[in-house]
Amino acid sequence: AQSVTQLDSQVPVFEEAPVELRCNYSSSVSVYLFWYVQYPNQGLQLLLKYLSGSTLVKGINGFEAEFNKSQTSFHLRKPSVHISDTAEYFCAVSKDRGSRLTFGEGTQLTVNP
Amino acid sequence: EPEVTQTPSHQVTQMGQEVILRCVPISNHLYFYWYRQILGQKVEFLVSFYNNEISEKSEIFDDQFSVERPDGSNFTLKIRSTKLEDSAMYFCASSVTPRGNEKLFFGSGTQLSVL
Repeated sequence: AQSVTQLDSQVPVFEEAPVELRCNYSSSVSVYLFWYVQYPNQGLQLLLKYLSGSTLVKGINGFEAEFNKSQTSFHLRKPSVHISDTAEYFCAVSKDRGSRLTFGEGTQLTVNP
Repeated sequence: EPEVTQTPSHQVTQMGQEVILRCVPISNHLYFYWYRQILGQKVEFLVSFYNNEISEKSEIFDDQFSVERPDGSNFTLKIRSTKLEDSAMYFCASSVTPRGNEKLFFGSGTQLSVL
């Protein structure tokens, strides 16, 4: 079975500051890793994914994440955030491309002016 | 961009009542999913559905739950006799391929409140 831990439930930052949202996972098998974003009153939207290949993955809206197998982490980063990045961010894992997603608890990112 | 549509956005029901949550997946998608999030907890997988059959279900998806694709466009989740602990946000999702996690589209959710 897989599990995901998002280490920060709330992350407040100022506009144009860098941000890192942390995600750690545990699994006995190889995994696929995802970050989803949920803006207020909207559904979950795929931000980026790691399926194989390069461990540095770039996603939409200037976000990127790095898969670190030795540390079982998949932290999300953005060098300079905007007010519009305020949202809930979910890390998720699955054991293959068609299986259920196992989500973390979510991190509320609030970008202040 | 195409969207997964869920109705209603909020539903309030009495404990013991049946409730049906409705979803309209993206039109050319073939694989359908329900997830839920109890307030303050993780988003949890409930069930996946393809070709009019359940492909996978979680431990949560017991005999009180059922899914159906009654026509070519709707995908429904029925809870036969709701309990207080069924109160949650329910998300529908769909994908065009069996490798659903490569491109999974979620709806905006139905907030179910059981009183």
